[in-house]
Amino acid sequence: SAVISQKPSRDICQRGTSLTIQCQVDSQVTMMFWYRQQPGQSLTLIATANQGSEATYESGFVIDKFPISRPNLTFSTLTVSNMSPEDSSIYLCSVLSGTGIHEQYFGPGTRLTVT
Amino acid sequence: GENVEQHPSTLSVQEGDSAVIKCTYSDSASNYFPWYKQELGKRPQLIIDIRSNVGEKKDQRIAVTLNKTAKHFSLHITETQPEDSAVYFCAASPRNTGGFKTIFGAGTRLFVKA
Repeated sequence: SAVISQKPSRDICQRGTSLTIQCQVDSQVTMMFWYRQQPGQSLTLIATANQGSEATYESGFVIDKFPISRPNLTFSTLTVSNMSPEDSSIYLCSVLSGTGIHEQYFGPGTRLTVT
Repeated sequence: GENVEQHPSTLSVQEGDSAVIKCTYSDSASNYFPWYKQELGKRPQLIIDIRSNVGEKKDQRIAVTLNKTAKHFSLHITETQPEDSAVYFCAASPRNTGGFKTIFGAGTRLFVKA
């Protein structure tokens, strides 16, 4: 399985500011995903980030609010822009790894609180 | 798009009893069904998965079943232990058909009472 790390692990930010979350994988992976998990809720897919192409966003998420970079096969960033308290959540990166059916693994998450 | 429904939202069992969590999916293109366990404050961990060409899969105390016709799949945990207490998520994905994104159910909070 892939080893995934995220930075920061948590942050408290002021309304109107932006935060960039980094995701690092210990091996090259083709597909990376960013999810949001609000307290006590399920995992909601924000976007799919493939190297060399623009991220594909899910309904309800837009690039201006959640710009994503994917400069290589081991790294990605998600920026949460112009934050409001509603953005308070855990943000997780995830990768497809392994052979065949492609098992999916998650990073430890970044706990964001917006005040 | 895909929609995954999961029941029950909360399940409480006595240690040693069995627990069953059920999910339904809507997109017939989905062919891969993983289950994740998430302990408090931790990341989701893949515990078992099943592909659409298989009806059942077992791994020690955990088993998954899939009914493609009815678009139902279930997680069965036997001889439950307190350390099984966690939130369990089912998911569905159209692996290898160009989609790859995974849609999750709402989760089931399992309590195992000692």
